[in-house]
Amino acid sequence: DSGVTQTPKHLITATGQRVTLRCSPRSGDLSVYWYQQSLDQGLQFLIQYYNGEERAKGNILERFSAQQFPDLHSELNLSSLELGDSALYFCASSGPTGGSPTDTQYFGPGTRLTVL
Amino acid sequence: AQTVTQSQPEMSVQEAETVTLSCTYDTSENNYYLFWYKQPPSRQMILVIRQEAYKQQNATENRFSVNFQKAAKSFSLKISDSQLGDTAMYFCAFMRARDDKIIFGKGTRLHILP
Repeated sequence: DSGVTQTPKHLITATGQRVTLRCSPRSGDLSVYWYQQSLDQGLQFLIQYYNGEERAKGNILERFSAQQFPDLHSELNLSSLELGDSALYFCASSGPTGGSPTDTQYFGPGTRLTVL
Repeated sequence: AQTVTQSQPEMSVQEAETVTLSCTYDTSENNYYLFWYKQPPSRQMILVIRQEAYKQQNATENRFSVNFQKAAKSFSLKISDSQLGDTAMYFCAFMRARDDKIIFGKGTRLHILP
């Protein structure tokens, strides 16, 4: 158990809908990262937040957005869903309080999103 | 742009044997980190081992060790005395020190056979 929690575990929805994925980082970690794992694209970095602020952006679509709240949990919002958005979405956290933000990332169990 | 290449899509070895998974990367950075992550059938991503580019000594974690060749930009993973529980997808990953974005390779699916 990495200490990172993600909810829900599975999500099934229809095209055009909007969903929210939730992540709670390890206790004390300030950074949260979101990744998408799909069969055709592999594992791709989407976005990173550090202590509530966006720090780095990867291949994140404009239909997707994220935020990190004062209690450091994060949410990834996916809207106008398409069939191709079906994937496993991972959250990872790193950076214990006071430490460098460049630290090992520990992954949550993932949320499997199926868009029908 | 950084790239990570894993040239072995799939491998199979007998239990108790030693296996080496290959990884090469391309970067112009001098300060970076390399990782091997394991993804078993449960789909959980588990950190296996980490190497800082400024360290010449190869990282070791129990049965797992790396051969880090900075000049050749090579970072292979050796699993000794392989066990059935080592069956998983293994991802090589690169992270430059000035940001925390990890770039993953496509993965090597490893089967440990009884």
